[in-house]
Amino acid sequence: SAVISQKPSRDICQRGTSLTIQCQVDSQVTMMFWYRQQPGQSLTLIATANQGSEATYESGFVIDKFPISRPNLTFSTLTVSNMSPEDSSIYLCSVEPRGEEETQYFGPGTRLLVL
Amino acid sequence: AQSVAQPEDQVNVAEGNPLTVKCTYSVSGNPYLFWYVQYPNRGLQFLLKYITGDNLVKGSYGFEAEFNKSQTSFHLKKPSALVSDSALYFCAVRDMRWGKLQFGAGTQVVVTP
Repeated sequence: SAVISQKPSRDICQRGTSLTIQCQVDSQVTMMFWYRQQPGQSLTLIATANQGSEATYESGFVIDKFPISRPNLTFSTLTVSNMSPEDSSIYLCSVEPRGEEETQYFGPGTRLLVL
Repeated sequence: AQSVAQPEDQVNVAEGNPLTVKCTYSVSGNPYLFWYVQYPNRGLQFLLKYITGDNLVKGSYGFEAEFNKSQTSFHLKKPSALVSDSALYFCAVRDMRWGKLQFGAGTQVVVTP
């Protein structure tokens, strides 16, 4: 498994601003993922972040809105840009630990409310 | 394309009774199947997985799940539910040929004392 932390755990933001969410894992991993969970909904994959390359975005998500960084094998950030109330969600990062790449383990999530 | 169905939005069970949460899936190749649990104001916690081998897999907190290839199902079970099992449960599938994890809609479990 893996121990994953996220910062901040929650935030309340004004529309039009941006928030950067950090994800830190306790071991080196190749793949990191960012998901969105809208209120009362399931998880939707935003993008996959590999170290040393551009993130791969899913349909409906664009880099200008959700820029991602992956500077090393234990850390990633997701920025939610130019926020609107529709961006109010839980944002979760996940990883596939080395030696257990078929399984994704999730961080505690970042609860975002946009007013 | 792969998909996961959790036919019940909510399951209500009395403490001490058996708990079953249903999941069916559709993938083009061999499935990797997972159950996760989300407690209020918490992230997703991994419960158990089926990759290959024995159709009955055991996981955390006394949960188990049975892989049924003919019925394309992977139901989650617990012989005796606890009030603390009240949470949101997600079934997920991935076809390793594509690699992405597809989640079901989730089932809210409510265990009453």
